[in-house]
Formats: sequence, structure tokens, C-alpha cells
Amino acid sequence: AQSVAQPEDQVNVAEGNPLTVKCTYSVSGNPYLFWYVQYPNRGLQFLLKYITGDNLVKGSYGFEAEFNKSQTSFHLKKPSALVSDSALYFCAVRVAMDTGRRALTFGSGTRLQVQP
Amino acid sequence: DTEVTQTPKHLVMGMTNKKSLKCEQHMGHRAMYWYKQKAKKPPELMFVYSYEKLSINESVPSRFSPECPNSSLLNLHLHALQPEDSALYLCASSQETGTSGGRVGELFFGEGSRLTVL
Repeated sequence: AQSVAQPEDQVNVAEGNPLTVKCTYSVSGNPYLFWYVQYPNRGLQFLLKYITGDNLVKGSYGFEAEFNKSQTSFHLKKPSALVSDSALYFCAVRVAMDTGRRALTFGSGTRLQVQP
Repeated sequence: DTEVTQTPKHLVMGMTNKKSLKCEQHMGHRAMYWYKQKAKKPPELMFVYSYEKLSINESVPSRFSPECPNSSLLNLHLHALQPEDSALYLCASSQETGTSGGRVGELFFGEGSRLTVL
């Protein structure tokens, strides 16, 4: 079984400050990890993923995430938040080489609110 | 711009109606998905098609009936729905595992179809 935990329902940060959105995962095997963002009444937009290689992954809109195998975490970060980053963020996991189940398991989501 | 197109964007139907949601992608992806999302909740997997064959059905009630006519199209047929089925229905597609490593596992989502059942 695979699962994802996003411990914070909401994260508030001032514009220009660094932001972190937390994610931990549980899988039996090597994980593929993803971050998606969702704006109101819209579909999910892919931000970044970790498949293998460097633990620090850079993605769209200045976001990055660090894969930490020992802590089973994949926190999303951005050095300087923008008001336009305010949205709902989902972490997702899929087991590598899982040819029987090609689907993602999503975390519960974290609402990011960036104040001007 | 999304490369997965869903129609209609909004649908209102009565409990006795029959309607369909449609999804189309032209990225050559051979896996397609239906997810259901309630407000402020994560998407929940409903169905997965792989090479036009149903590979995963997450115990979805039979009032939801998926169909994959070809590798680019995915339909979700709706019949005798309940008000609690009101939600955003998201379609997604992905390349198959092991091909073209840069996009392994990544799902591309459509904008969704907002369904309201009266």
C-alpha cells in the first residue's frame, strides 16, 4: 500500500518570504513523488517530480522540492513567495516499477495563502 | 494550456437522466484515468485504462460506466446518479512506465467537468 501525508491544512506566508509545504510518504519500494497545484475550479497542474538522481528537484514557477529518503519526506519549497502562488497544493506518490497499478495516491492537500 | 480536453465544463442533471462526460488527449499517451474530486478534498481514483483496456476499477458504483473508444478518447457514462455524486470529475493521461524517462509517471490533467446532480 502507498500513502501520502500532508500535515498542514493551510500554510500562511507573507509575500517575499520563503515557503515550505510539507509532505511525507509511505510506500513499499522506491517511490515516484510529485507535486501538483490546483487553482479554484481548475484541474491539477504538474509542478515537479522526483524519479531518481539528485535529491533536490527544480520545477515550474520557481518551486523546488527535496527528496529525503531517511525521513521519507518530499517538502515543497520556494525562496520567495508570490501572492499568485496562493492555491491548493497536492503531494502524490506512486511506487516505481509498479506495472500493475499506474495511478497516483494524493495527499489531503495544503492550502497556501500568501499575504501581500 | 492543458493538453487534455474535457467536455462539458459544467453539467447539471436529474437523478433519472443519462449523460456522458468526454475526455480527449493527443499526446500519444496510452494510459487514461478518471478521478472524482469533492470540494477541498484530494482527487480520488475511479478508473484506469491502459492501452484501451480497463485495468483498474476502484469499486465504483455501476451508475458510472467508463468507455475508451480509442487511444485518444475516454468517456464516462452517467445514469441514475445521486446528489452525492455531485463533484468535479477529472480526466488525466500519462505515458506508460518505462518509456521516455523524462515523463515517466507524470499525469496530465484536464480542467475537469463540474457535475451537479439534482
